[in-house]
Amino acid sequence: DAKTTQPNSMESNEEEPVHLPCNHSTISGTDYIHWYRQLPSQGPEYVIHGLTSNVNNRMASLAIAEDRKSSTLILHRATLRDAAVYYCILRDVTNAGKSTFGDGTTLTVKP
Amino acid sequence: DSGVTQTPKHLITATGQRVTLRCSPRSGDLSVYWYQQSLDQGLQFLIQYYNGEERAKGNILERFSAQQFPDLHSELNLSSLELGDSALYFCASSVGTAYNSPLHFGNGTRLTVT
Repeated sequence: DAKTTQPNSMESNEEEPVHLPCNHSTISGTDYIHWYRQLPSQGPEYVIHGLTSNVNNRMASLAIAEDRKSSTLILHRATLRDAAVYYCILRDVTNAGKSTFGDGTTLTVKP
Repeated sequence: DSGVTQTPKHLITATGQRVTLRCSPRSGDLSVYWYQQSLDQGLQFLIQYYNGEERAKGNILERFSAQQFPDLHSELNLSSLELGDSALYFCASSVGTAYNSPLHFGNGTRLTVT
């Protein structure tokens, strides 16, 4: 299975943008890039996903590199509620639900 | 609220015992996935069902089994419990099996084996 690599931790100030990187150098053509986040004592929450083009939704934006070997989750204005562990995973037709959740990036938001 | 309901929220039991965890997927979702999250292993995929049939298997022990019923709810059975089985167990659901279909997670069942 293609794997992803994320920094262990990042810090941000409240109301500033946050760029969370993810490397997936062995991504295949059919892999979708998904992002989830997990707040303390809760299950992971879907954030956004994409294949090749950049994507925007009410929670965040996803910027995908042209060669698809990396992507960046963008939170436009971080709030204290955005403090969580962020996971970048790859899902493709061959692995169904077997997506590997790595250790993710722990985002700390400072007031 | 993801719409995925897991019961019970907490479970404390002794080694050697058997427990059943229950999951009700989001309305309209046909796929159910089970994950185990422990402190030293992260989030591990166990098994997936789609419309009652097993679709994919991950790192699920032989002591564990699951099924999805006609009403689409799912149960994860854990038997001959060991201390190392203590973990958070999450259920997720999605509309289908498509890889572009988001996973929606419940808030988990915290299992403590003493």
